[in-house]
Amino acid sequence: QVQLQESGPGLVKPSETLSLTCTVSGGSISSYYWSWIRQPPGKGLEWIGYIYYSGSTNYNPSLKSRVTISVDTSKNQFSLKLSSVTTADTAVYFCAGGGGTVDYWGQGTLVTVSS
Amino acid sequence: DIQMTQSPSTLSASVGDRVTITCRASQSISSWLAWYQQKPGKAPSLLIYKASSLESRVPSRFSGSESGTEFTLTISSLQPDDFATYYCQQYNSYPWTFGQGTKVEIK
Repeated sequence: QVQLQESGPGLVKPSETLSLTCTVSGGSISSYYWSWIRQPPGKGLEWIGYIYYSGSTNYNPSLKSRVTISVDTSKNQFSLKLSSVTTADTAVYFCAGGGGTVDYWGQGTLVTVSS
Repeated sequence: DIQMTQSPSTLSASVGDRVTITCRASQSISSWLAWYQQKPGKAPSLLIYKASSLESRVPSRFSGSESGTEFTLTISSLQPDDFATYYCQQYNSYPWTFGQGTKVEIK
């Protein structure tokens, strides 16, 4: 059973870069599309983008100018960087895996943007 | 972007009730629609994919259907474990988008 675990700072200052890593266990990262999805407190879900193990990516246009998703197959990890954050980027960030549908989810990590 | 509009936003129901949640896409998505269940403080979990295919280990009281750009999630007999928020998601085209959610509450 594939398991995902997010890691990274829970507090980021405005204008700085949010960085999160997701570790994949119980399966190979050379399967599935690996996504980041976020959920502001009390609100709905927003797909940020995905990466395939080959390195090909697809980003939500609403965030594309600020997002970078990368993969490290040797560590079975993929990462998110979101630059120039504002308070609107405060959310629970989920890493996820699937192929269109999201079959596997991390538990989520709350990232708060505040000075 | 394809907009996904769910209704209702909140639904009050009792154990044993038949519950229906609707999701309408702003344009054709074929059958590339999924439904998820999310409980407070937890990640969503996949219930249904390709509009009507039940994910393994999901109880058969859950079902999905489609009619054009309108999709429906039905719970045939609501159980205590089913009180949660439900989201639809289209994966026909990028960016993948979700509905705003339907919260199923205890009546």
